[in-house]
This record gives sequence, C-alpha cells and structure tokens, in this order.
Amino acid sequence: KAGVTQTPRYLIKTRGQQVTLSCSPISGHRSVSWYQQTPGQGLQFLFEYFSETQRNKGNFPGRFSGRQFSNSRSEMNVSTLELGDSALYLCASSQGRTADTQYFGPGTRLTVL
Amino acid sequence: QKEVEQNSGPLSVPEGAIASLNCTYSDRGSQSFFWYRQYSGKSPELIMFIYSNGDKEDGRFTAQLNKASQYVSLLIRDSQPSDSATYLCAVSFGNEKLTFGTGTRLTIIP
Repeated sequence: KAGVTQTPRYLIKTRGQQVTLSCSPISGHRSVSWYQQTPGQGLQFLFEYFSETQRNKGNFPGRFSGRQFSNSRSEMNVSTLELGDSALYLCASSQGRTADTQYFGPGTRLTVL
Repeated sequence: QKEVEQNSGPLSVPEGAIASLNCTYSDRGSQSFFWYRQYSGKSPELIMFIYSNGDKEDGRFTAQLNKASQYVSLLIRDSQPSDSATYLCAVSFGNEKLTFGTGTRLTIIP
C-alpha cells in the first residue's frame, strides 16, 4: 500500500500571502489529521477530518483552516501568513476508529519570508 | 489542558546498552499510548503502541505502561547507532486528538 503523500514538499512564501497544502491518506483511511512542528513547540495538533467533517480542532487561529474531500484527500489553508507560521506541516492518516494508529506523511516545509 | 511530558535530553547511551525513555501524562482517562521515532529532517514513524497496563515487547523494543502512576516508558535493548533519533510519546483518549510530548533526543555512542 502506498503511504501518506503530501504536496508540495517545500514552499517559500512572503508575509501576507496565503498557502494551500495537500495530503493524500493511505488507501482506505478515512481520517486525516494535521500538525505543525517547530523546534520550540514540538508537534502541535491543528485539526482532524473524518468523513469530510472536522472531528477535532486544536488551538490555532482562524487563519488556519482545512477541508476533506469525498475521496478522503485533505487540504489545509493558511491565510495572511506570518513569519511564525514557518514550520514543518505534517499530515497523518488513520482508519478513524478509536485508538487507531496514525501514519505520517513526509511533511511540507513552509518558509515565510 | 491535557499534557504529555518528556525529558528533552539529549540522552546518551553506549552502543549495546539499554536506552530507557520516559513519558508522563496528565489525563488519567487516557486510553492509548504511542511511541514514534523521528530522524532529523524526517517525519515521525510509529514504533509501538500500548493500551493495557504492563509490558509489550516487539523485537528490541519494550513499551511499559503504568496507568496508576500515569507514565509510559520505552526500553531499547542492544542499542545501535541507527537508534539515534528523537523519540516522541503520544497519548489519546477515545477518538480525541493525539497529544504529543516534545520528544527526547537519543544519541547512541559507538
């Protein structure tokens, strides 16, 4: 089975711009979670989508949003980028059942200048 | 606020010795516990998960869970240089989000 894929792998943007990141889960997985990873804060949970609905949400401002499509692929959008948004953005997929294991994609490295 | 605490390290262990990594969590109702390994510049990969009190062994890795004391540990026997990485502890309750610790950086010294 193919693993979780994320595109693009690297992105450079300037402050004030917006960005869209994409994640394709493992075939058959219905849950996609997004995380932000920075050296200072570690892995911070952004949100989780299950069957096209947001099921869980972390403590990030409304500039961070996401959605999930009927094929379970997910996108994450960040508007009005700030320097502090520079991070590795990881998505993880699971079947979505209780206590399911999450499998991570390779991540998108976002740099905001 | 549910919290997961790990010693950030670095933890240095001689090759062939046992590496012991610890994690404590604040939510007594937590049900699922995971250990991920993350090499520098790479994404986390799952090593083990454990749900029940006691030990769970998989090759050179043993996860230990003590719900009464709210800690989970990972033992790595016969440590190899390839085990050098950051180890992330993650905890969840039901279908709630995974909460990660900040990770422990492990270095195996040849």
